[in-house]
Amino acid sequence: EAQVTQNPRYLITVTGKKLTVTCSQNMNHEYMSWYRQDPGLGLRQIYYSMNVEVTDKGDVPEGYKVSRKEKRNFPLILESPSPNQTSLYFCASRTDGFQYEQYFGPGTRLTVT
Amino acid sequence: LAKTTQPISMDSYEGQEVNITCSHNNIATNDYITWYQQFPSQGPRFIIQGYKTKVTNEVASLFIPADRKSSTLSLPRVSLSDTAVYYCLVGAWDSNYQLIWGAGTKLIIKP
Repeated sequence: EAQVTQNPRYLITVTGKKLTVTCSQNMNHEYMSWYRQDPGLGLRQIYYSMNVEVTDKGDVPEGYKVSRKEKRNFPLILESPSPNQTSLYFCASRTDGFQYEQYFGPGTRLTVT
Repeated sequence: LAKTTQPISMDSYEGQEVNITCSHNNIATNDYITWYQQFPSQGPRFIIQGYKTKVTNEVASLFIPADRKSSTLSLPRVSLSDTAVYYCLVGAWDSNYQLIWGAGTKLIIKP
């Protein structure tokens, strides 16, 4: 089954404790991205990657890191989480070129206390 | 990046046709119009995409007038399971895909 998976689905952590949210897709998509969703703000792009070893900042990259060492994986790293990073996070992927059908993961609900 | 404007919420009843209109006055020549559906605590799901005139698939139709400054998503014979938030997005296929996601339209279907 074609899908984007994220882990963990739920995470409660404390300020400053480094964490990684994994994202994996099995569709051989070149393009992957991370979003956060907050009430009343819609989805905001954090980082995106056009292909392996190619990443770039989205609209709200501060406090986040990403890496793309393999085509299928695109982990999101919070080196020192803060309470304002409490949010619902989505990973997404799509094929390159003329295709706007992004496939989204199930989401990771992160709470930083 | 073209910004879109949609109604914040809409109500309808099972079996009815629902039309959600999106305004995108600053749409560029290369921009396509895409609609997504999102259920609570789930990732958005692609519904339909179009450039001009009309596009239809198994779940919805998309109507785009000649000036492309607006578009209408049409959901035929809705059911309770169509209750969700619907997002209208505008962007170019050759962009880095930094689309602007607005608050969407919260559609509530009543029995």
